[in-house]
Amino acid sequence: AQSVTQLDSQVPVFEEAPVELRCNYSSSVSVYLFWYVQYPNQGLQLLLKYLSGSTLVKGINGFEAEFNKSQTSFHLRKPSVHISDTAEYFCAVLSGGYQKVTFGTGTKLQVIP
Amino acid sequence: DTAVSQTPKYLVTQMGNDKSIKCEQNLGHDTMYWYKQDSKKFLKIMFSYNNKELIINETVPNRFSPKSPDKAHLNLHINSLELGDSAVYFCASSLTRNTEAFFGQGTRLTVV
Repeated sequence: AQSVTQLDSQVPVFEEAPVELRCNYSSSVSVYLFWYVQYPNQGLQLLLKYLSGSTLVKGINGFEAEFNKSQTSFHLRKPSVHISDTAEYFCAVLSGGYQKVTFGTGTKLQVIP
Repeated sequence: DTAVSQTPKYLVTQMGNDKSIKCEQNLGHDTMYWYKQDSKKFLKIMFSYNNKELIINETVPNRFSPKSPDKAHLNLHINSLELGDSAVYFCASSLTRNTEAFFGQGTRLTVV
């Protein structure tokens, strides 16, 4: 089975401060990992993805994530957030042999001016 | 040029009615999906089609019936709507079954 845990439902952070959104996954086989962002009243937009290769993945809008196989984690980071980063962020996993992506419960990032 | 488009964006209807949501993708993808997002933002897959063939059918009531007339379209028909069906429904597509999904803007369904 595959599952994703996003422990933080809300993360408040001041503008220009760094942020880390945590994601842990569970799977017995190789995985593909994704981070999506959802702005209010919009669909999900892919931020970045890990398929293979380098464990540090860079995405759009200055975000990056690091795949850590031993800790089964794929945390999302940004060194300096902007007001416009206020949104819901979803981590997702796709395991080998599965044909569907499982999403985490989401983390709401609130950037405080 | 919208990649995955779904209509309508908003749908308000009474209990017991039947309604449809349409989805089209112009990305040339093989796989399409319907997801349901509840009020707590939890996303759950409902159906997945690959080249017009149903490959995933989660535990969804029989009142929900997807139809894929061709690879670029996946519509969702819902019979006898219930209050609990109120949610945002997202259509998505991916190049293959094992690649990232691209989402539409969502259809907010409200059953009153």
